[in-house]
Amino acid sequence: GAGVSQTPSNKVTEKGKYVELRCDPISGHTALYWYRQSLGQGPEFLIYFQGTGAADDSGLPNDRFFAVRPEGSVSTLKIQRTERGDSAVYLCASSSGLAEYNEQFFGPGTRLTVL
Amino acid sequence: EDQVTQSPEALRLQEGESSSLNCSYTVSGLRGLFWYRQDPGKGPEFLFTLYSAGEEKEKERLKATLTKKESFLHITAPKPEDSATYLCAVRPSGGSYIPTFGRGTSLIVHP
Repeated sequence: GAGVSQTPSNKVTEKGKYVELRCDPISGHTALYWYRQSLGQGPEFLIYFQGTGAADDSGLPNDRFFAVRPEGSVSTLKIQRTERGDSAVYLCASSSGLAEYNEQFFGPGTRLTVL
Repeated sequence: EDQVTQSPEALRLQEGESSSLNCSYTVSGLRGLFWYRQDPGKGPEFLFTLYSAGEEKEKERLKATLTKKESFLHITAPKPEDSATYLCAVRPSGGSYIPTFGRGTSLIVHP
């Protein structure tokens, strides 16, 4: 596709359940970022990949959160034992590199609601 | 710790009424300052990157400027379609590739 896509667009789950959020970056983009955005806040960094490896996961809030990008393209953000505080919009962005002049292209986000 | 503060939180303008949005930042060396537009239910859309004090960039009715402490997004003769949330983010110099975002300014332009 022409842009970054994220699936599902909405996810409602119950407290304690496991969820997976998927990001399809722009073809050829080597850098991929995950952010979390709560209502009225700016995006908050979670993790970024350069290629297949997680280059920096310092933004992941705790060990319930994990992300993979096994083939250097699609990425999955995994959340175990979800809590109500995990409710937010999860945004993915890709770029052709990590340099500041490499524009980040954002997907539409996945809205996660934990009941 | 890098900090970004945007003001005002919300701004209502009449069509054609020019104004400016502010982004104040504290960062350990600036690698780049970014402006994004975000429409409801969508991801942020890139507008500008500014790299050094004194730099200016323009796109249609938008003009971004940068000093050592803040950036302004000037909106000239806005139209209702300019209504959106405008986000500012900074990247520090050094080895970090992590941007810090502000909370954004919600702009509504009335016809």
